Amino acid sequence: DTAVSQTPKYLVTQMGNDKSIKCEQNLGHDTMYWYKQDSKKFLKIMFSYNNKELIINETVPNRFSPKSPDKAHLNLHINSLELGDSAVYFCASSQVGGYNEQFFGPGTRLTVL
Amino acid sequence: RKEVEQDPGPFNVPEGATVAFNCTYSNSASQSFFWYRQDCRKEPKLLMSVYSSGNEDGRFTAQLNRASQYISLLIRDSKLSDSATYLCVVNSIPGGGADGLTFGKGTHLIIQP
Repeated sequence: DTAVSQTPKYLVTQMGNDKSIKCEQNLGHDTMYWYKQDSKKFLKIMFSYNNKELIINETVPNRFSPKSPDKAHLNLHINSLELGDSAVYFCASSQVGGYNEQFFGPGTRLTVL
Repeated sequence: RKEVEQDPGPFNVPEGATVAFNCTYSNSASQSFFWYRQDCRKEPKLLMSVYSSGNEDGRFTAQLNRASQYISLLIRDSKLSDSATYLCVVNSIPGGGADGLTFGKGTHLIIQP
């Protein structure tokens, strides 16, 4: 199936740990993104990356870093996890900028204890 | 004033009724507008883009009012399957770019049999 996939679907971890979430898209899109949806359901963009340019939302702590091994993957690394990092993280992709449809992955529910 | 505002609801509507909700945005330079649908514990999916002239897709009609800076979504003959959260999305970056995407918190719609 053509889609955006993420692993793991659920992630429960202790404060202070380092974790990664993987994302892959097989839609041939040139731009990928990470979003965070908090407990109040507010969806906010964290990063966008298109092989040429990484755009970082200035509010994102530098403990969060995206890593793109190739055009089809954009993984999210989180260092020194904090309680406030608990949220659902969505990966997404689109073809050209924000005018085109964003295709979201199923989300990763992160719980920091 | 928040960038994108929506009435969170919930809107409880009987099956078959018509329901409409609005979304206001604060940035007059906003370029493009979308409605996304998000089911409980699922990822957002594009419902429809909103064009200046207004557009219709089956039972769904979207309107844009630039002068008053709001967009609307009208659902006719509502179905049980329309129950979801509807996210208003505004892009304020000329030329696109998902870093300019701002999501509203969503309007929760419940269609009752």
